[in-house]
Amino acid sequence: GDSVTQMEGPVTLSEEAFLTINCTYTATGYPSLFWYVQYPGEGLQLLLKATKADDKGSNKGFEATYRKETTSFHLEKGSVQVSDSAVYFCALSPGGTSYGKLTFGQGTILTVHP
Amino acid sequence: SQTIHQWPATLVQPVGSPLSLECTVEGTSNPNLYWYRQAAGRGLQLLFYSVGIGQISSEVPQNLSASRPQDRQFILSSKKLLLSDSGFYLCAWGPGNTIYFGEGSWLTVV
Repeated sequence: GDSVTQMEGPVTLSEEAFLTINCTYTATGYPSLFWYVQYPGEGLQLLLKATKADDKGSNKGFEATYRKETTSFHLEKGSVQVSDSAVYFCALSPGGTSYGKLTFGQGTILTVHP
Repeated sequence: SQTIHQWPATLVQPVGSPLSLECTVEGTSNPNLYWYRQAAGRGLQLLFYSVGIGQISSEVPQNLSASRPQDRQFILSSKKLLLSDSGFYLCAWGPGNTIYFGEGSWLTVV
């Protein structure tokens, strides 16, 4: 079956540091890929997505590129802020589906210190 | 714009008691609707999804059920809660395979 593997956390950075959270996946066909962010005590918010190979999703300074050859969708940000502290989830939706049957990674906790 | 609301936000229920979590979506019609659960320290698991009124698909066998009595209303229920039902429950909606989550409901079964 489909699966998503995220780098284990927690990740602790200083403000303005560079962020990378690794995400790799296993899926048949051509899945769509997503990053969601969950702030403390809240639901998940869609951060960015990519629907085909070599697509780059971007939002709020975060970027991720859909790499089919390495089955990866790593999340990056050039300069993190304290307000970026949250849990980040990588997820995939199987190719060819018309509904959100997402498979999620375990989540990576990010803490940014001033 | 579309909005999604679920309630209650938090609840503490004794083992064996019933459960009802409600979710409504505004600003769209005939949305796909979902219930996900996030257990402590774990990722999210899809419990149910619905592509229309009265149409419910269950992803995992469990102590819970779902219903969709109206186009934009999705309800998660249980007749008798178990300790293992504790967790963070998230309603979601979406066009296609992109989904948007509600604020979530924290359930503690004691």
